[in-house]
Amino acid sequence: SQELEQSPQSLIVQEGKNLTINCTSSKTLYGLYWYKQKYGEGLIFLMMLQKGGEEKSHEKITAKLDEKKQQSSLHITASQPSHAGIYLCGAVWSPMDTGRRALTFGSGTRLQVQP
Amino acid sequence: DGGITQSPKYLFRKEGQNVTLSCEQNLNHDAMYWYRQDPGQGLRLIYYSQIVNDFQKGDIAEGYSVSREKKESFPLTVTSAQKNPTAFYLCASSRLLSYEQYFGPGTRLTVT
Repeated sequence: SQELEQSPQSLIVQEGKNLTINCTSSKTLYGLYWYKQKYGEGLIFLMMLQKGGEEKSHEKITAKLDEKKQQSSLHITASQPSHAGIYLCGAVWSPMDTGRRALTFGSGTRLQVQP
Repeated sequence: DGGITQSPKYLFRKEGQNVTLSCEQNLNHDAMYWYRQDPGQGLRLIYYSQIVNDFQKGDIAEGYSVSREKKESFPLTVTSAQKNPTAFYLCASSRLLSYEQYFGPGTRLTVT
């Protein structure tokens, strides 16, 4: 969706390096969801952000939502081969968004971690 | 264990044939969704259902049909009218009024 853009499209890092993935919305977010997908599999929920300035962490992954609620970043510290996969952000722009109660997803960031 | 199952994992069909993809959940979720994923692209919403016997079109519903006769089941039929049916199809579910979706393992459909 052009309303939700992810960058970079793909990323190759050496094991142990830090990295950041961005998700930018064309309008103010009501909520932003991060998912991880292993190749050829379903999506695994990582984190949900809703408040401006909010930051959440799970193991070595930290997600932030900016104060204006139009951009989120996902930061991985000391990357490992197990972090490899596709990271997708999913957006909600209004809790009553024309009755549509489904996420709109970005195109994803493909991460490879080289040992 | 609760979860979402999709079957089969791989499906092959000849052009012109309709095919139905299965999605079952035992999470007692009210809402269910179907997405399509193409290489290098994110997920695009095909159909979703918030309650039994009711469903709404998503962004790319043309050439697809669904039914929701039971809470735990939301099958997707890919009809011969779908021009580019080869893709990876993902089913998801969520609690009513929640956007946090739980995904199945997906079905890769190849039409030749």
